[in-house]
Amino acid sequence: GAGVSQSPSNKVTEKGKDVELRCDPISGHTALYWYRQRLGQGLEFLIYFQGNSAPDKSGLPSDRFSAERTGESVSTLTIQRTQQEDSAVYLCASSPGPSYEQYFGPGTRLTVT
Amino acid sequence: QKEVEQNSGPLSVPEGAIASLNCTYSDRGSQSFFWYRQYSGKSPELIMFIYSNGDKEDGRFTAQLNKASQYVSLLIRDSQPSDSATYLCAVKSNFGNEKLTFGTGTRLTIIP
Repeated sequence: GAGVSQSPSNKVTEKGKDVELRCDPISGHTALYWYRQRLGQGLEFLIYFQGNSAPDKSGLPSDRFSAERTGESVSTLTIQRTQQEDSAVYLCASSPGPSYEQYFGPGTRLTVT
Repeated sequence: QKEVEQNSGPLSVPEGAIASLNCTYSDRGSQSFFWYRQYSGKSPELIMFIYSNGDKEDGRFTAQLNKASQYVSLLIRDSQPSDSATYLCAVKSNFGNEKLTFGTGTRLTIIP
């Protein structure tokens, strides 16, 4: 079946602009996660959604970052007033439910100039 | 101390040999352990997961978990050049905290 999809695959933006990244989880997966991977570094957790429960936002690095998810479908990650340090690959993952294994999408490479 | 530690490598192994990748973690309450493979420029791909002490085998891959020593490893038998990648260890902590904490990865090179 179809895996996790993300769009756009690449995004170049100027410092100070807002960007929106999209994630489509695997059908039927109730849990959705966003991670960030800076060049040469490990993955950093950003936010977790499970069904209609309140999201776990504990990994968001600043109030410029926000995310939404409609039910158990698409999620969008928004970064306002982008900074150069926001340049990274943003990865979305989904899982059949909490505590199950997570499957990653191809990522969005964000470059802030 | 980092929460999840891996030797960054590079680890070079001859084709056909066994590659051994190691990971230690600091949180004794960790429940679940995952190995991901990441090719350069690609996203992580799930290889194995293990929840209980002992060994878990899947094809050429064996995951080993020792919770008392806070240690998890991945063995790759009959290594192939296509196994050359960065291997990420990920740990899920206590119940109710669903995030994965990742190590920085070990770069593995299989030498033909």
